[in-house]
Amino acid sequence: EADIYQTPRYLVIGTGKKITLECSQTMGHDKMYWYQQDPGMELHLIHYSYGVNSTEKGDLSSESTVSRIRTEHFPLTLESARPSHTSQYLCASSQMGLGYETQYFGPGTRLLVL
Amino acid sequence: RKEVEQDPGPFNVPEGATVAFNCTYSNSASQSFFWYRQDCRKEPKLLMSVYSSGNEDGRFTAQLNRASQYISLLIRDSKLSDSATYLCVVNAGGTSYGKLTFGQGTILTVHP
Repeated sequence: EADIYQTPRYLVIGTGKKITLECSQTMGHDKMYWYQQDPGMELHLIHYSYGVNSTEKGDLSSESTVSRIRTEHFPLTLESARPSHTSQYLCASSQMGLGYETQYFGPGTRLLVL
Repeated sequence: RKEVEQDPGPFNVPEGATVAFNCTYSNSASQSFFWYRQDCRKEPKLLMSVYSSGNEDGRFTAQLNRASQYISLLIRDSKLSDSATYLCVVNAGGTSYGKLTFGQGTILTVHP
């Protein structure tokens, strides 16, 4: 089992609120990722980090921001939540093994913006 | 064209059946390939990596055809617990090292 955690697991919040989704891993992985997934749809990468103080935008444009001050922690922030942000957000981290990266996912945060 | 394409299904099969999923990818520079499994309302979990020579893990067999840019997953003797969405996943490597591209997933339902 992967040691990667996300909080909260479920969040219902009103429009305009600032929210931070937490993600932490205790495996010492350098690389971490945030994905967004709508029901029945594919995962889309929105942010990734290759290590402390490294953050990059993913393939899907997102109004969220991320930070990586510590190796184990990769929070995602929405300054002003909107109904269009309603989705599932999955955090992942990866390690190198047998010549390729293996990604491990956290349990996800289901966000509903009213 | 999507970078990774899968038949979304759903595949409805009886217990004990053999079922095969296919996946194609568009980036010929892709370097590593995986099958993930995602249960309803859960996170994806790695099922198996796909090696160039093909590989087997119990009832599951994965194949890769680089020339055709095609990946397959075969499940033999299906169990009720195999019901899930199966995600074909590709890593482009190079400057995209570590970044995975996910297919939409193929839904499998195994019934008694």
